[in-house]
Formats: sequence, C-alpha cells, structure tokens
Amino acid sequence: TQLLEQSPQFLSIQEGENLTVYCNSSSVFSSLQWYRQEPGEGPVLLVTVVTGGEVKKLKRLTFQFGDARKDSSLHITAAQPGDTGLYLCAGEKWTGNQFYFGTGTSLTVIP
Amino acid sequence: DTEVTQTPKHLVMGMTNKKSLKCEQHMGHRAMYWYKQKAKKPPELMFVYSYEKLSINESVPSRFSPECPNSSLLNLHLHALQPEDSALYLCASSRGLAGGGNEQFFGPGTRLTVL
Repeated sequence: TQLLEQSPQFLSIQEGENLTVYCNSSSVFSSLQWYRQEPGEGPVLLVTVVTGGEVKKLKRLTFQFGDARKDSSLHITAAQPGDTGLYLCAGEKWTGNQFYFGTGTSLTVIP
Repeated sequence: DTEVTQTPKHLVMGMTNKKSLKCEQHMGHRAMYWYKQKAKKPPELMFVYSYEKLSINESVPSRFSPECPNSSLLNLHLHALQPEDSALYLCASSRGLAGGGNEQFFGPGTRLTVL
C-alpha cells in the first residue's frame, strides 16, 4: 500500500522556470522529510518539517507541511540543471522509526 | 558528521553464493534501516532495528538475514538470492526517538547484481 502519492511523477522544464511538487496522503504523520536522489546514490536529506502549517526555505527551495499534517509541497524557484534528480517525500509514523516513502518525482532541468 | 557508510559499493554474486552487506554510522543513532530500491522507484523498507533489536520485518524472504552486532553496525547477510533481488540496497539511520521527530540519513548504497 502506497501511503504517499507524489505529483507529478515526471517533470522536464527549462532552466529558470519555477515548479511545485506535491506529496499527498490520507494519513497523518508526525514529521515529513524531503530527499533528492541522484542515480546510483543514496537519498540526501533536504529538509524535515514537523509542525502543521510549517514553511521552511532552503535557498531557492520552499517546503510546506499541510495544516492537517497529511500533505506537503516543495517549490523550486528559478530551477537550475543541478536541481535535476529524483525527489522523494517520506512521512514518519507517530510511533517513530518507521517511514513511508512517496512515489517519487523525477525532475529534469534542461540548460 | 552525518555520514553513513556502506560496503561494498558494488557486488555481483551467483545464486548459490553467500555474501554480506555492511553499514556503519557514528552519529550515536539508535535506529538503523535496510531498504531495497529498484530503478526509478522509491525505496522499499525491509528491516528496522531499534536499540539493536529487530523491530520491523516487512515480510522479507528468509534469504535476506539482518544482523545488528552493536549500535553502530548493521549487516545484511545474503544467501541463495534470485536475479529479481538485483537492486540498490540502502542503509539508513535515525536517532530512534519514540513518538516521531526523527530524521533518516542514508548511506550511498550497495548496487547488487545477482546472476
């Protein structure tokens, strides 16, 4: 059972464009993480959001956790080729130490 | 230091071989994880160790056998694997807090090919 659905599944954009990736669930999570993964490498943690309604910024990346702690979004401003990769969200169960990954969004930024 | 190390980086094995994957972290984390990842898919949870005890086994076939010798080390013993077990095997760790608020840090993975 896939608890977290990401959209879009694939995204190909030109350098300089903006984009938003969504991570949706019917379940409530204690926290939610966003990762970026390059082919053949492990996922790299970008951010953790814990509080409903929380917004975090990491340079050109803005992350938001939904008020009900069921969904999240990742917005990238002025995308660059270095942003290319597989973006994964992961929600943590309230009992802790168990994470459910989203379906993934493959982003390609064309120079 | 947020590093999780995994060895080997690549492994090719036959269906009758026995091999082991190793994972190490020195962040004082008390939860460690094994995931399996197929190309262009999200990681799939296999096992979770919490305070050196196996807490979650996601119905993984017995040809995969995890071991946690101490709080810094995690092994995955492989025996009689099938070609469909070829994948990227990822290790991760987190602080191990009950009730949430944990962050997972991943190793670079071991690319396993079963012939």
